[in-house]
Amino acid sequence: SQQGEEDPQALSIQEGENATMNCSYKTSINNLQWYRQNSGRGLVHLILIRSNEREKHSGRLRVTLDTSKKSSSLLITASRAADTASYFCAGSAAGNTPLVFGKGTRLSVIA
Amino acid sequence: SAVISQKPSRDICQRGTSLTIQCQVDSQVTMMFWYRQQPGQSLTLIATANQGSEATYESGFVIDKFPISRPNLTFSTLTVSNMSPEDSSIYLCSARASSGQETQYFGPGTRLLVL
Repeated sequence: SQQGEEDPQALSIQEGENATMNCSYKTSINNLQWYRQNSGRGLVHLILIRSNEREKHSGRLRVTLDTSKKSSSLLITASRAADTASYFCAGSAAGNTPLVFGKGTRLSVIA
Repeated sequence: SAVISQKPSRDICQRGTSLTIQCQVDSQVTMMFWYRQQPGQSLTLIATANQGSEATYESGFVIDKFPISRPNLTFSTLTVSNMSPEDSSIYLCSARASSGQETQYFGPGTRLLVL
């Protein structure tokens, strides 16, 4: 079963604009991880945010987490054509439980 | 971090046959998992591969259809048995470096087409 829902399902922006993708999840999590997948390829780990963290940055990426609303957002600033990909959030409950994925957002950055 | 490789990277198979996918991690890992990604969809967890014991399957997945082996801390196989066109998917191996590690890494996937 899916842990969460990404919103929007598809997003198209111009190069240089910011892209915001949202993720809502259903059950309590220990951490939330964001991944990028280029067409038909493996997943690249972008960032992990723990349940006791509210915001995290990595380069042009900014992730927020609101555990009271069971939601997270991924912001990509100054987007590039190379950012075109599908982005997934995935949550893990406490212990050794595996990640459960949301449905993903397909991002298209137009040059 | 863990670097994960999979073989084969892709295959085209006939209905009714079986395919075994290999997953190799470059370091010993505690947790290994297998996911399926159907065309245009997100990832669905098939099972957790347990070293030295039977895999733990998620609802909707059974051992007869997806037998899994994990003989040691760096290697696992997933077999897709008696394939049908509905099994056409990308199969991804995943690992977590140690029980205290939270980041989960993924292999490049095996793209399977069943005719």
